[in-house]
Parts: sequence; structure tokens; C-alpha cells
Amino acid sequence: GESVGLHLPTLSVQEGDNSIINCAYSNSASDYFIWYKQESGKGPQFIIDIRSNMDKRQGQRVTVLLNKTVKHLSLQIAATQPGDSAVYFCAERENDYKLSFGAGTTVTVRA
Amino acid sequence: KAGVTQTPRYLIKTRGQQVTLSCSPISGHRSVSWYQQTPGQGLQFLFEYFSETQRNKGNFPGRFSGRQFSNSRSEMNVSTLELGDSALYLCASTPPSSSYNEQFFGPGTRLTVL
Repeated sequence: GESVGLHLPTLSVQEGDNSIINCAYSNSASDYFIWYKQESGKGPQFIIDIRSNMDKRQGQRVTVLLNKTVKHLSLQIAATQPGDSAVYFCAERENDYKLSFGAGTTVTVRA
Repeated sequence: KAGVTQTPRYLIKTRGQQVTLSCSPISGHRSVSWYQQTPGQGLQFLFEYFSETQRNKGNFPGRFSGRQFSNSRSEMNVSTLELGDSALYLCASTPPSSSYNEQFFGPGTRLTVL
């Protein structure tokens, strides 16, 4: 699979490979960390979230890892498919109602 | 179940004008949030409404305002438009008893200020 050590704005991945998208966050007071996916012409769509007292959470084909020591969040997508091509955003939320989004990563899946 | 709808989808205005954007949340959702999306600043929170009350506000000037009606529909208004207000304005609704992590976004209104 392909991974990104630091946050990069783009990621190209071969169909069927695993992909890893990274995100650095700044707010130590955040209670939740969330991943959203935005396809062209659409609004962001929720993928998965993780509470700050956890370090790993798995969903369907996706895994989110949280490293609070270095304030790092990652999203792993297994067996990347063409439909996974999108812009991926990490977001943080304290104990209120607003989401604070990070810079997005554009993922392109090569056939 | 219908998703979040936003009208209009596209809008062109000139500097100094004002604009009103509309958002209809998913049926049963009472919380509505607004975000501005630009290539340079990314996605930024504008404000959030619940039961016609603004509960959270982002760091935007007073030219940006909003309101929510008793049927949960929401509008946002931008007065004295500036070129920098050109952006995609996204509305999101949140179901009751939610953690607010999962917000349901509409397709957005693309505002161009000339």
C-alpha cells in the first residue's frame, strides 16, 4: 500500500492497494476526531470518528488511528476502489457543535 | 429520505450587494450548521442553529448572519459582499440525540462575487 508520512495535498494509489491518509491536529482539547470524504460536486460525507480516549477504531474497510503524543491522525482504507477517489478531510470537535476541518487530501485511484 | 437541500445552487453577485442562501435540513433534524469552503482557507465554520437559536458562531465578520425558522429551515445572509466572499457555502444538519460528529451536508451554494 501507499502511505503519506506527512500531510500531502494529493495521494495517488493503485486500485486494490491500501492507502493511508495522514492529518496533524493542533487542539489538544478536542474530544473527537472525524474523517469526512468529499466527492466532486457534493458536500462532505461522514466516514468514521474516534474519541480522544481511544487510539484505534475500525469501520467497513476503514481504520482510524489516533496518536495523541504527536497529535497525529490517520485514515487507512483497505483495498482502495475507484469510488474512493475524493478529497478527504480530518476534523476535530470539542464538546460543542462545530467541526474544525483540516486541509484536505485529494486521493486519486489508478485503474 | 430526502437529503439536505440548498437553494440556489449557483449565484453571481457584484461587490456591495447582499445575498440570502437557503437550507432545508433532513426531516426531523433540528440542528443546522453553515460552513464556508474556499481553496485557500478550506472549510470554515460559520454558525450553528438549534430550535431557532444560534448556539455557536465562527470567526466571521458581522456581515455574515443567519437565522432558523420554526420548521428548522435556515437562511444565511451576507451583506455588503466582497470579492473574498466568493466560496461554496455548505449547510449541514444533524439528527437528534447525535454526537454532532456526523453531520449531513447539502451540495452547497456556489457564490461568485464580481
